[in-house]
Amino acid sequence: EVQMVESGGGLVKPGGSLRLSCEASGFSFSNPWMSWVRQAPGKGLEWVGRIKDKTDGGTTDYAAPVKGRFTISRDDSKNILYLQMNSLKSEDTALYYCTTLKIGVGAFDIWGQGTMVTVSS
Amino acid sequence: DIVMTQSPDSLAVSLGERATINCKSSQSVLYSSNNKNYLAWYQQKPGQPPKLLIYWASTRESGVPDRFSGSGSGTDFTLTISSLQAEDVAVYYCQQYYGTPYTFGQGTNLEIK
Repeated sequence: EVQMVESGGGLVKPGGSLRLSCEASGFSFSNPWMSWVRQAPGKGLEWVGRIKDKTDGGTTDYAAPVKGRFTISRDDSKNILYLQMNSLKSEDTALYYCTTLKIGVGAFDIWGQGTMVTVSS
Repeated sequence: DIVMTQSPDSLAVSLGERATINCKSSQSVLYSSNNKNYLAWYQQKPGQPPKLLIYWASTRESGVPDRFSGSGSGTDFTLTISSLQAEDVAVYYCQQYYGTPYTFGQGTNLEIK
């Protein structure tokens, strides 16, 4: 069964850090590009960032609101995608989804259930 | 950044009737080298992650019922549900993957009339 499971969310104070993980199974993890997408409570979807696969250089891109504070990485040997979040702000409060980019297409085809991050004092 | 604007924000349609959601991009998402529109549609039901319905503006994802169809090119796109079923109640999002930052429309809340 194709599955992605996020973990690592929780309550953190402004200025704090958190690392999210996304463990994948049921497909060849090393192939697709991967992304994080977030959804603030009651709001729409917001792309956070993307990491390419190793054959495409493994490079990353980020949305402006998180650039310089968030870092995406992947461990293909463990089938895990990471999101390191530093200098967290209240506006980072959201449900964070990991997702794969459909190979040869680029749309987001496989999604996890999400992990909630709350930034509050 | 490419801004995606959906209309309407909410929509109420009777069971069995047609539902139409529009999406407009601030610049073309048609890539001239392959003549493909880098536009996707997603369905999100309460408490669930989004589900990919349509990509390349009009290609249905595997397993998606054929009552869902996408059309349009360039900057104007439409998602049509030909005969609304109760299980189609959800929020629908369009998204461009032409380039980063990938951007979504604000969402359209589809309800039963």
